[in-house]
Amino acid sequence: ETGVTQSPTHLIKTRGQQVTLRCSSQSGHNTVSWYQQALGQGPQFIFQYYREEENGRGNFPPRFSGLQFPNYSSELNVNALELDDSALYLCASSLASASYNEQFFGPGTRLTVL
Amino acid sequence: RKEVEQDPGPFNVPEGATVAFNCTYSNSASQSFFWYRQDCRKEPKLLMSVYSSGNEDGRFTAQLNRASQYISLLIRDSKLSDSATYLCVVTDTGGGNKLTFGTGTQLKVEL
Repeated sequence: ETGVTQSPTHLIKTRGQQVTLRCSSQSGHNTVSWYQQALGQGPQFIFQYYREEENGRGNFPPRFSGLQFPNYSSELNVNALELDDSALYLCASSLASASYNEQFFGPGTRLTVL
Repeated sequence: RKEVEQDPGPFNVPEGATVAFNCTYSNSASQSFFWYRQDCRKEPKLLMSVYSSGNEDGRFTAQLNRASQYISLLIRDSKLSDSATYLCVVTDTGGGNKLTFGTGTQLKVEL
């Protein structure tokens, strides 16, 4: 186990609704990254949070937003859900440093948009 | 063109076989390189880092060719438990800010 937890594990929403996904990072980690993995694809980088600030963003529209809290846990919010938002949403925690540090993934939240 | 390209497979091989996966990346500024393993409906897990000098971890050997922007993974003496999707991953900064994944190559090891 990586020590990274995500909730909920599964979620079903309808088009136009809003959703909030949650992630608790591994103890001692100050950075959380979010990824979207559509069926049959590799994970795609959404954004990263470091010390409560957004620290890099992938090619996702503004309706994808996030937060990081003082305890380094994080939320991903998606507004105006579309069918194509159906995917596995993964968060990964790491300890930021000048060199690469491994990102540890949580088990993911599987979102279905009907 | 995708930033990281892999053959999606599936590769169906018998137990004990040697299998090789390849991956190409488009960003010559890419800094760090990895292979991740993802089991069905699970999260990706780091399998190994990849260096220009090549590195080996038991039955697994990874190699990077920066000039050709090409990464490989060799699995020797395949086990049933090696069945999974293998994801080629690159980062574009030394700090590992963003992981860019390939689509993954599915491996099925059969009796």
